[in-house]
Amino acid sequence: QQPVQSPQAVILREGEDAVINCSSSKALYSVHWYRQKHGEAPVFLMILLKGGEQKGHEKISASFNEKKQQSSLYLTASQLSYSGTYFCGTYNFNKFYFGSGTKLNVKP
Amino acid sequence: KAGVTQTPRYLIKTRGQQVTLSCSPISGHRSVSWYQQTPGQGLQFLFEYFSETQRNKGNFPGRFSGRQFSNSRSEMNVSTLELGDSALYLCASSFAGVNTGELFFGEGSRLTVL
Repeated sequence: QQPVQSPQAVILREGEDAVINCSSSKALYSVHWYRQKHGEAPVFLMILLKGGEQKGHEKISASFNEKKQQSSLYLTASQLSYSGTYFCGTYNFNKFYFGSGTKLNVKP
Repeated sequence: KAGVTQTPRYLIKTRGQQVTLSCSPISGHRSVSWYQQTPGQGLQFLFEYFSETQRNKGNFPGRFSGRQFSNSRSEMNVSTLELGDSALYLCASSFAGVNTGELFFGEGSRLTVL
């Protein structure tokens, strides 16, 4: 089952924070996060394998609540370069699904 | 190191024809997975090959098939093309696979079916 992402779109000013959520109706083995800029291939941000584990990459971090089958991506002090579409990807029962994406637009 | 290479980058086919797309993974990566991206359906997982074996499969009809060679290069074939098959087809290479590994995507092959 495709995970549900929210919100569908976000508009931010530089320096503001954002949270993107990803939830699944099925138990999850792992959650991936990717960012895709227009006309480019998706780029890996991070992968989470354990419940409740939080990982970080500079000002981007994520959490994974295995019991709730949810993951959240945290973008702090956003930069113009953060603009793009963010996808979560979930793996369970030998199937891999991407969410529908969250369009993030960071303005000066 | 060289990235993931997909060929051809663009192609136009007519309904009923078949098409073969190629993907060369990053050296040392044994997993290649394929995805279809369309404005309406988003990014959808087709299948994954790991060391020449199909390991995971999405929910696509049997017209979509693939294979992986001993050098880890992979091909995807779509037979009896339909208009709805028009899409960007992405492949991704990974050391560990889609379940636990980082995916490195190629630039994609854009297929237009007329």
